[in-house]
Amino acid sequence: QQQVKQSPQSLIVQKGGISIINCAYENTAFDYFPWYQQFPGKGPALLIAIRPDVSEKKEGRFTISFNKSAKQFSLHIMDSQPGDSATYFCAASIQGAQKLVFGQGTRLTINP
Amino acid sequence: DAGVIQSPRHEVTEMGQEVTLRCKPISGHNSLFWYRQTMMRGLELLIYFNNNVPIDDSGMPEDRFSAKMPNASFSTLKIQPSEPRDSAVYFCASSFERAFPPPREYFGPGTRLTVL
Repeated sequence: QQQVKQSPQSLIVQKGGISIINCAYENTAFDYFPWYQQFPGKGPALLIAIRPDVSEKKEGRFTISFNKSAKQFSLHIMDSQPGDSATYFCAASIQGAQKLVFGQGTRLTINP
Repeated sequence: DAGVIQSPRHEVTEMGQEVTLRCKPISGHNSLFWYRQTMMRGLELLIYFNNNVPIDDSGMPEDRFSAKMPNASFSTLKIQPSEPRDSAVYFCASSFERAFPPPREYFGPGTRLTVL
């Protein structure tokens, strides 16, 4: 119930392509879904987040798509660049709770 | 603006030794989290504090692990005795509790622990 399942574990995309990472959850009490980006040797950092009252949120080349009925959400990186190569984590939390539940992470590599 | 500060950044120790990891959260934040990251298990929440009080320690692996937060600006994670399977990167994160928008966790740079 508290898990967030993330796929794929690793992803290789050509420069300029679209990177797509998917997450699924079971707990319908989750109401906040952030994505974190982690570069080697650094801590994760918030990239973009969405609430379930909207189906999509876009910030620059990064878009979250949210499907409430399917209990799934995904991160799309348009025009992927080598600088986007990092590990990406989806997460979820319940309003009022301080704790985030993280997915297993996806190691993204963008080939030049 | 200083972010979350962790020390040491790297720690190499021998099995059986005591290890203490330190964290200074962002000033004004009132929640603090300790995470462990490994290739096999990903990012695991070990324990979190709210207003210096431990709220959820269900992720602490076993009695060898303990965490304290004596004041709002300092926390420690101690492993005694350490074992090779404790080798991982340990992250500290902090956030400011707000009803809306949701809290955002700011992660420190991590401590890479190697237990030989």
